[in-house]
Amino acid sequence: EVQLVQSGGVAVQPGGSLRLSCVASGFTFNNYAMHWVRQGPGKGLEWVSLISWDGSSTKYADSVKGRFNISRDNNENSLFLQMSSLRPEDTALYYCAKDIRLGGGGFYDYWGQGTLVTVSS
Amino acid sequence: DIQMTQSPSSLSASVGDRVTIPCRASQDISHFVAWYQQKPGKIPQLLIYAASTLESGVPSRFSGSGSGTDFTLTISSLQPEDVATYYCQSYNSAPGSFGPGTKVDIK
Repeated sequence: EVQLVQSGGVAVQPGGSLRLSCVASGFTFNNYAMHWVRQGPGKGLEWVSLISWDGSSTKYADSVKGRFNISRDNNENSLFLQMSSLRPEDTALYYCAKDIRLGGGGFYDYWGQGTLVTVSS
Repeated sequence: DIQMTQSPSSLSASVGDRVTIPCRASQDISHFVAWYQQKPGKIPQLLIYAASTLESGVPSRFSGSGSGTDFTLTISSLQPEDVATYYCQSYNSAPGSFGPGTKVDIK
């Protein structure tokens, strides 16, 4: 059974930093690209970041470029999102999602349960 | 970048009705469209990919059609458990783009 288990929710002050994690099981983690997708309160799905199967290629939404960093540890079947210079508008439920392709550019067949990030003073 | 639009943003229908949910791409994306269902308080679930291929385990009342720029998700007979927001996604190039969603509820 494929599972993507994410770290727990957290509150942080504006300007702060945070690291999200997502641990995968039930599939060969290093055969697939992975994504972070977020959903603000009452909002739709917003793609945040992509990392290829081997970590050699990464992409970011303009809204987070220069502030967020995606990485993965294939030995630990883990995906990470390092978030810095956080803003109130980054408040959202963050999902990790599995791509069907090595390099990304596919659809997402499995999603994590979500991690709530609240940025507020 | 490809933009995906979905209109209406919400619709209401009766149980048993045939429901169609449109999605439009800003440029030709061939058949590279996926549809996701997100029930209230739940995570998104893949329904359809390649515009018309039903994901394993998805009820056959769901179907997808279209190519190029215009796509449709159809629910042949709306059930109470289909209350959800439905998102289309383009994936002809990384990273893909989500539409804003159409919320479906029961009249």
